[in-house]
Parts: sequence; structure tokens; C-alpha cells
Amino acid sequence: KAGVTQTPRYLIKTRGQQVTLSCSPISGHRSVSWYQQTPGQGLQFLFEYFSETQRNKGNFPGRFSGRQFSNSRSEMNVSTLELGDSALYLCASSQGGGTYEQYFGPGTRLTVT
Amino acid sequence: TQLLEQSPQFLSIQEGENLTVYCNSSSVFSSLQWYRQEPGEGPVLLVTVVTGGEVKKLKRLTFQFGDARKDSSLHITAAQPGDTGLYLCAGQQGAQKLVFGQGTRLTINP
Repeated sequence: KAGVTQTPRYLIKTRGQQVTLSCSPISGHRSVSWYQQTPGQGLQFLFEYFSETQRNKGNFPGRFSGRQFSNSRSEMNVSTLELGDSALYLCASSQGGGTYEQYFGPGTRLTVT
Repeated sequence: TQLLEQSPQFLSIQEGENLTVYCNSSSVFSSLQWYRQEPGEGPVLLVTVVTGGEVKKLKRLTFQFGDARKDSSLHITAAQPGDTGLYLCAGQQGAQKLVFGQGTRLTINP
């Protein structure tokens, strides 16, 4: 099976702009989670989608949003970018139940200038 | 406040030495997972432990889940340069939520 893919891999944006990141999960996985990884805060959970519905949400401002499509692909959007949004954004897919093991993509490195 | 505390945060040792990484919490988890992340890549799942006291071995890596399901350890025997990376523990809370530790950055010097 193909792994989790994320596009783009690298992105440079200016403060105040918005950005959309894309994630394609492993075939058959219905759960997609998004994480933000920074050197200072580590891996922080953003939100999880299961069957097109947001099932869990972390403690991030409303500028961070997401959605999931009927084919389980997911997008994450960040509006009004701030310098502190610079991070590695990781997408992970899971079958959605049981021990909830996460299979991560390579991430999108976002730099806000 | 970090729900899962990993120690040490950084560890640099020589090839062939043994090491142990700890993951501690005051919370009980239904399962605990260990991941390894290499630069420029996403974390890769190494193991999941579910039962208190459970021990799992993956070649030179030994994972243990505490009896009370609040802590875990990762022991590497005869470390090799290929073991270099960021090791993350993640505890499962509820049905679909993982909490990650800050990670242990391990460097194995040839």
C-alpha cells in the first residue's frame, strides 16, 4: 500500500496570507489527523477527521481549520498567517479505532516571513 | 504542563553502548506507542503496548509498559548509528486521541 502523502513539501508564505495543505491517507484509512511540530512545543494535535466529520479538536485558534472529502483526502487551512505558524505540519492516517496507531506523512514545512 | 514527560531530552552516546529512554505521566493510558522520526520525515510507528507490565522486543529495542499504564521505557542494546533519531512516546486517551511527549533526541556516534 502507498503511504501517506502530503503536498506541498515546502512552502514559504508572508505574514497575513493564508495557506492550504493537502493530505492523502493510506488506502482504506478513514481517519486523518493533523499535527503541528515545532522545536519548542513538540508535536501538538490540531484536529482529526473521520468520515468527513471533525471528531476531535486540539487547542488551536479558529484560524486553523480543516476538512475531509468523501475519498478520505483531507485539507488543512491556516488563515491570516503569523510568524509563529512556521512549523512542520504533519498529517497522519489511521483506521480510526482500536489502539489508534498513526501512520504519518513526510510533512509540509511552512515558513512564514 | 506536559502530560507526558520524556527523559532525557537529549542523549549522545558511542556506538555499542546501551541506553534507556523514559516516558512518564500521572495519567493512565489505554495504550502507549513509540515512534522514531528522522530529519525531514514524519514519525514512524515502532511499537504499541496495551497491557500493564507488557514487554515487547524489536531486534535490539525493548519496550516496556508500566504496571499501572502510566509510564513506559525504551531500552536499546548495543546502539548503532542507524538508531539516531528523535524518539517520541504517545499515550492514547479516550477512543481517538493521542498525547505526545516532547521527544528524546538520540545521537549514536561511530
